Amino acid sequence: EAGVVQSPRYKIIEKKQPVAFWCNPISGHNTLYWYLQNLGQGPELLIRYENEEAVDDSQLPKDRFSAERLKGVDSTLKIQPAELGDSAVYLCASSLEGLAVNTGELFFGEGSRLTVL
Amino acid sequence: GNSVTQMEGPVTLSEEAFLTINCTYTATGYPSLFWYVQYPGEGLQLLLKATKADDKGSNKGFEATYRKETTSFHLEKGSVQVSDSAVYFCALSRTQGAQKLVFGQGTRLTINP
Repeated sequence: EAGVVQSPRYKIIEKKQPVAFWCNPISGHNTLYWYLQNLGQGPELLIRYENEEAVDDSQLPKDRFSAERLKGVDSTLKIQPAELGDSAVYLCASSLEGLAVNTGELFFGEGSRLTVL
Repeated sequence: GNSVTQMEGPVTLSEEAFLTINCTYTATGYPSLFWYVQYPGEGLQLLLKATKADDKGSNKGFEATYRKETTSFHLEKGSVQVSDSAVYFCALSRTQGAQKLVFGQGTRLTINP
């Protein structure tokens, strides 16, 4: 069974440029998460989807970040414009259902590493 | 608020050494506790978990016991292997407010042959 697939794995851009990350969750997983992982830190939740609905986006900086999950499957996370401080790894994860945070049964992709110059 | 503090890394050991990675937490309510592992070039994956006080989670020779009195969930392994080299994250699940995992900063472990 395929795991969570993310692309691109690496991206280098100039500041003020836009960037987008794509995530394909495990087939059948209704819940999708985007996490931000700064260097030397643990992942921090940006947004959580239940199917197409964003049920927790309280930590998403909405002035420059946006996300969508059309049709409740794939998801895209966009940053526009990017700033130097956005350099980090963006992780996508999926689970069968939202209460997986209680069981820990989240499945993570390898992440997309962003470098903003 | 809810937070997780892990032992500073990196940690370097020789094969067959005993491993302890410390983890303490601050939480309201009664969280579940987890250890995740990230092997080189792979995504994070759940290693073990404990859902209530005094529970012991175990997997792949690793163990951790949920200690409510000391608010700790230390990861241990009696004899480490080179293949255990990875980054280890302690985490808790928030039980009040929005359902969310809160991670520690991670501890990089390197095992030398």
